[in-house]
Amino acid sequence: ELKVEQNPLFLSMQEGKNYTIYCNYSTTSDRLYWYRQDPGKSLESLFVLLSNGAVKQEGRLMASLDTKARLSTLHITAAVHDLSATYFCAVVLYSGGGADGLTFGKGTHLIIQP
Amino acid sequence: DSGVTQTPKHLITATGQRVTLRCSPRSGDLSVYWYQQSLDQGLQFLIHYYNGEERAKGNILERFSAQQFPDLHSELNLSSLELGDSALYFCASSVSPGGGELFFGEGSRLTVL
Repeated sequence: ELKVEQNPLFLSMQEGKNYTIYCNYSTTSDRLYWYRQDPGKSLESLFVLLSNGAVKQEGRLMASLDTKARLSTLHITAAVHDLSATYFCAVVLYSGGGADGLTFGKGTHLIIQP
Repeated sequence: DSGVTQTPKHLITATGQRVTLRCSPRSGDLSVYWYQQSLDQGLQFLIHYYNGEERAKGNILERFSAQQFPDLHSELNLSSLELGDSALYFCASSVSPGGGELFFGEGSRLTVL
């Protein structure tokens, strides 16, 4: 069974600070996704990481993937209040028929205070 | 706007009842996934359809069923509802049969009283 673990699950930080969210997964997978969810809203795709060593950046967010360590990180640089949200990582689930849906971590609830 | 449409957005019903949630995928997407999101269980994969055929089942209860129609829209049927079924139900679509990026709808919030 594929397990996806995020930490921390809750994070309160001040504007201007840097921090990293970690995503570990239990079985081999070569694709990892990061999503953002605002309260009561849908999930918005942030990054798609398709290979070992992949690094993607968008604004103050940067995501990386190490498939050998089964680890992805989401780094926040100089946080601003608008980045307050819940962030999910998701890993491709492989079944007998090949690649299937995504297994999500429990999410990191991020609060950025002025 | 992801292009995935879900109805209804909110639904309140009583225990023992049956409801149907509807999803229209993005234009051109053949895969439809259903997820359940609750505070205690997080995002749980329920079921996946690709071009009208069931591809995979996740943690879907026997009281729940789904189908994908020839026009590619999908319905999730929830029956004999229990209080614990209260959750946000998301539909997501993808162009690929598996492993691709998922685009999520706004969700259907189900409250069972």
